[in-house]
Amino acid sequence: DVKVTQSSRYLVKRTGEKVFLECVQDMDHENMFWYRQDPGLGLRLIYFSYDVKMKEKGDIPEGYSVSREKKERFSLILESASTNQTSMYLCATMLGGGGVTEAFFGQGTRLTVV
Amino acid sequence: AQSVTQLDSQVPVFEEAPVELRCNYSSSVSVYLFWYVQYPNQGLQLLLKYLSGSTLVKGINGFEAEFNKSQTSFHLRKPSVHISDTAEYFCAVSDRGSARQLTFGSGTQLTVLP
Repeated sequence: DVKVTQSSRYLVKRTGEKVFLECVQDMDHENMFWYRQDPGLGLRLIYFSYDVKMKEKGDIPEGYSVSREKKERFSLILESASTNQTSMYLCATMLGGGGVTEAFFGQGTRLTVV
Repeated sequence: AQSVTQLDSQVPVFEEAPVELRCNYSSSVSVYLFWYVQYPNQGLQLLLKYLSGSTLVKGINGFEAEFNKSQTSFHLRKPSVHISDTAEYFCAVSDRGSARQLTFGSGTQLTVLP
């Protein structure tokens, strides 16, 4: 079974703080993703990575950055948290290669910025 | 680019009744289609996927979906729902050229009533 672990289930931070959300997977998947989930908007892709030290912007990268120093770990960074970044954040992984496979999701981190 | 529309944000239904959750997509290229389910306080898990071949796809927990290319739809159905099916359901699409990137709909909250 693929396990995708997000470091925190709930997080409360103050406006202007630097915030790190960590995601670790144990199945050697090449692709990793960060989404944010908001009511009525579904999941929107923030950033993804298809290899170590590689990253690509998704649909809503503004205000975020990412880091992938090791294959199993993908971090989402909020350089200066703002209240409009209060959301549920979901990490996902997917096997690489040419075929289509499913995405495996972590439990999510509910971030509140006050 | 592709987009996904889930036509109902909330679907209440009585236990043992049939249910259909509607999903339409738009894309200029051929696509892969997915349904994911999110139980309360959990991440997403794959219900079923359409890659090619038979347009009727069976998934876990008794769900099935039918791909209709002419109507660009991928509606999810279950003939008899249980209380435990209460969850949020997301339709997603990826284009065949960039199978790693999923575009999600806004979600449908299915509530099964006793």
